[in-house]
Amino acid sequence: GQQVMQIPQYQHVQEGEDFTTYCNSSTTLSNIQWYKQRPGGHPVFLIQLVKSGEVKKQKRLTFQFGEAKKNSSLHITATQTTDVGTYFCAGKAGTALIFGKGTTLSVSS
Amino acid sequence: DTGVSQDPRHKITKRGQNVTFRCDPISEHNRLYWYRQTLGQGPEFLTYFQNEAQLEKSRLLSDRFSAERPKGSFSTLEIQRTEQGDSAMYLCASSADSNSPLHFGNGTRLTVT
Repeated sequence: GQQVMQIPQYQHVQEGEDFTTYCNSSTTLSNIQWYKQRPGGHPVFLIQLVKSGEVKKQKRLTFQFGEAKKNSSLHITATQTTDVGTYFCAGKAGTALIFGKGTTLSVSS
Repeated sequence: DTGVSQDPRHKITKRGQNVTFRCDPISEHNRLYWYRQTLGQGPEFLTYFQNEAQLEKSRLLSDRFSAERPKGSFSTLEIQRTEQGDSAMYLCASSADSNSPLHFGNGTRLTVT
């Protein structure tokens, strides 16, 4: 079945450093979505990418969708303590949205 | 936007008991999803509905699990003969259509002792 893999599983950075998480799918995706889950909270939608090679930015966050629509990345520039949480990618090949295991980001000031 | 609400927030039960959870989606959303999440893992897909029709169930979903959405509004998830391995956070989400993002509820945390 469809699998979505994310690396790294954990990342610790100093405030102000950059952070990147990578997402790979075993199958071609129709779209990919990114969610953020704060400790003790529920996943919250960040963005959806649909087109091959698409790049979208939200302030310090940059999202990319690979040319083959099988991989994606999220890059955070100059991390802040408010960026702490777990970032999930979720891919859709058929009907169900399948989540990766997430990358947990911790930031020390 | 009242959001997705789930009830109860926490449930502690003994192994072998049946439990039922409820989810009220955002009112205009016709898609409703159930996911399960354990510590350190991403949400694991269980099943989803479009209106009252259950369109897909995970192959990993035991036949002890059943979900309903009788009038296309709220949904219930029942687990029969609970096992310790069922302990997890059960998340409900809704979306406006197949291409819209998911809005998650706060979840029901199940502990099976």
